[in-house]
Amino acid sequence: AQTVTQSQPEMSVQEAETVTLSCTYDTSESDYYLFWYKQPPSRQMILVIRQEAYKQQNATENRFSVNFQKAAKSFSLKISDSQLGDAAMYFCAYGVAGNMLTFGGGTRLMVKP
Amino acid sequence: GAVVSQHPSWVICKSGTSVKIECRSLDFQATTMFWYRQFPKQSLMLMATSNEGSKATYEQGVEKDKFLINHASLTLSTLTVTSAHPEDSSFYICSARALQGHEQYFGPGTRLTVT
Repeated sequence: AQTVTQSQPEMSVQEAETVTLSCTYDTSESDYYLFWYKQPPSRQMILVIRQEAYKQQNATENRFSVNFQKAAKSFSLKISDSQLGDAAMYFCAYGVAGNMLTFGGGTRLMVKP
Repeated sequence: GAVVSQHPSWVICKSGTSVKIECRSLDFQATTMFWYRQFPKQSLMLMATSNEGSKATYEQGVEKDKFLINHASLTLSTLTVTSAHPEDSSFYICSARALQGHEQYFGPGTRLTVT
């Protein structure tokens, strides 16, 4: 069974600085997808970034980028120039070709002004 | 595009009654919808996978007779919590996958409180 582990229950970052959230996963599949979702206090799940396992290039979306290490089964999220609105729960998720997503336990990110 | 709605957003019901939660894909057709449950300060746990026109597939430990799922059309799936009890109180989130594509789009969730 696939598992997703987020080892940091809480992280804190100063506004305008950079923070990295960690995620590791376990799978025997060779083709899969990885996601980072943001869940603000409204609890609406918002897709931050996605990565296809077959792509070697790390995905980037504006201030958000990932470090995807397939061999190490690691998928970290870097948030640059942190903003107050980035404060939320962040979930790493794993999925295979449109099937169910397996979520990590989440990391609560606090942004200090 | 890719908007998923849920109704109601918040519901309180008495123990022993049933409550239905609707999940709709507003601007796309969804062959597959997923139902998740989230307890406070915890992650999302998949309850079941729902495919249009067929029976839902439930995860281990989820009572299919208690959590009835119907996916009657390509834009609507419903979750009915039957004979609700206080331990069923939780946040229920649905997601939908488009006919083409691997991405899931999430609804805003439904907070269920059973008194």
